[in-house]
Amino acid sequence: KQEVTQIPAALSVPEGENLVLNCSFTDSAIYNLQWFRQDPGKGLTSLLLIQSSQREQTSGRLNASLDKSSGRSTLYIAASQPGDSATYLCAVRPAGSTLGRLYFGRGTQLTVWP
Amino acid sequence: DADVTQTPRNRITKTGKRIMLECSQTKGHDRMYWYRQDPGLGLRLIYYSFDVKDINKGEISDGYSVSRQAQAKFSLSLESAIPNQTALYFCATSDFSGTGPGETQYFGPGTRLLVL
Repeated sequence: KQEVTQIPAALSVPEGENLVLNCSFTDSAIYNLQWFRQDPGKGLTSLLLIQSSQREQTSGRLNASLDKSSGRSTLYIAASQPGDSATYLCAVRPAGSTLGRLYFGRGTQLTVWP
Repeated sequence: DADVTQTPRNRITKTGKRIMLECSQTKGHDRMYWYRQDPGLGLRLIYYSFDVKDINKGEISDGYSVSRQAQAKFSLSLESAIPNQTALYFCATSDFSGTGPGETQYFGPGTRLLVL
């Protein structure tokens, strides 16, 4: 069974800092890895999806990398802002499965203070 | 309009009551899923459906049942609600066909359920 771990569980930083959130997964056989943002009590917003053949994806101040062989991904947030405060979830979709489901980590709760 | 909608968005109920959470989608996907999220935990799969006639249990199906009324509708029922079913519930759809690594899931806004 795929297990996904996110470190750290919580992070509090001043505005303007560059951040790295980490995600690791136990089975490297994946179709893709996805980073989501979740605001308190709200649904999931997809930030970036990295396919298994890709090494990274970028969107604005966000950059996600994937090292499939080592079972790791990082989400890099440049020049953090208070509006970035949220919980960030990492999820993987296993390869070789017809289920099509995602396996989620527990998330990193990010607070960016002015 | 949102592609995946859930009703109600919030619900308070009492122990022992039967309740239904509804999910509708306009994405035309065959696959639909119900997850629950507890504070500090990742999402866990309750049930999933590949099409109207194909429904399967996930990791934590005890105490829940589902109904796939149509391709676009997938409902989750708590037959006799208990306090440890208090959680945030998400419905999702998938465009998975097994051929594309870019395929993923699309989530509804969630239903916050409190069982007293």
